[in-house]
Amino acid sequence: EPEVTQTPSHQVTQMGQEVILRCVPISNHLYFYWYRQILGQKVEFLVSFYNNEISEKSEIFDDQFSVERPDGSNFTLKIRSTKLEDSAMYFCASSAPLAWETQYFGPGTRLLVL
Amino acid sequence: TQLLEQSPQFLSIQEGENLTVYCNSSSVFSSLQWYRQEPGEGPVLLVTVVTGGEVKKLKRLTFQFGDARKDSSLHITAAQPGDTGLYLCARMDSSYKLIFGSGTRLLVRP
Repeated sequence: EPEVTQTPSHQVTQMGQEVILRCVPISNHLYFYWYRQILGQKVEFLVSFYNNEISEKSEIFDDQFSVERPDGSNFTLKIRSTKLEDSAMYFCASSAPLAWETQYFGPGTRLLVL
Repeated sequence: TQLLEQSPQFLSIQEGENLTVYCNSSSVFSSLQWYRQEPGEGPVLLVTVVTGGEVKKLKRLTFQFGDARKDSSLHITAAQPGDTGLYLCARMDSSYKLIFGSGTRLLVRP
């Protein structure tokens, strides 16, 4: 069964460093999302992406964040200058055309900012 | 923001027991989704309920959407250790993003 994959599974970085989290959505999906989950807290929406542009972003998704679909398969989340409070589990999700109500989540990248 | 409140936050039960967890809001929703999340993994969709009063069954799991479409419940019959996990309810808003509740963490002891 097709699945969303994410790399790396874990990333440790120093505060102020840039990180890029990578996702490979399911191949025929057209809607892409990033969510994050700080330890012990809710899963929170960050950004949605469709047709090579951001559809919506939350207030968490400030100028330090960016998303890109550099080729036909990858979907990346970049954090330019990480802060301690960016430490969280980051989940990528995708959904198919005409089936937007079902989002498939990847296993997540656990980011730790020191 | 239309918040989803889940209760209880934590539940620890013995294998074979029944349980119900709840998802409540003051707002009406067009639909509600239930997810299960295991440690180190992303949420996995279990069911979507759409119609007020709707009941859906998934093996030993029974999902109900309240008549007024403001609340939902998940009932597990004869819980097994494999049911252990974080159960999340979520609504999808008009822009297709998911808004999650805080979850109920379930532990089923053998």
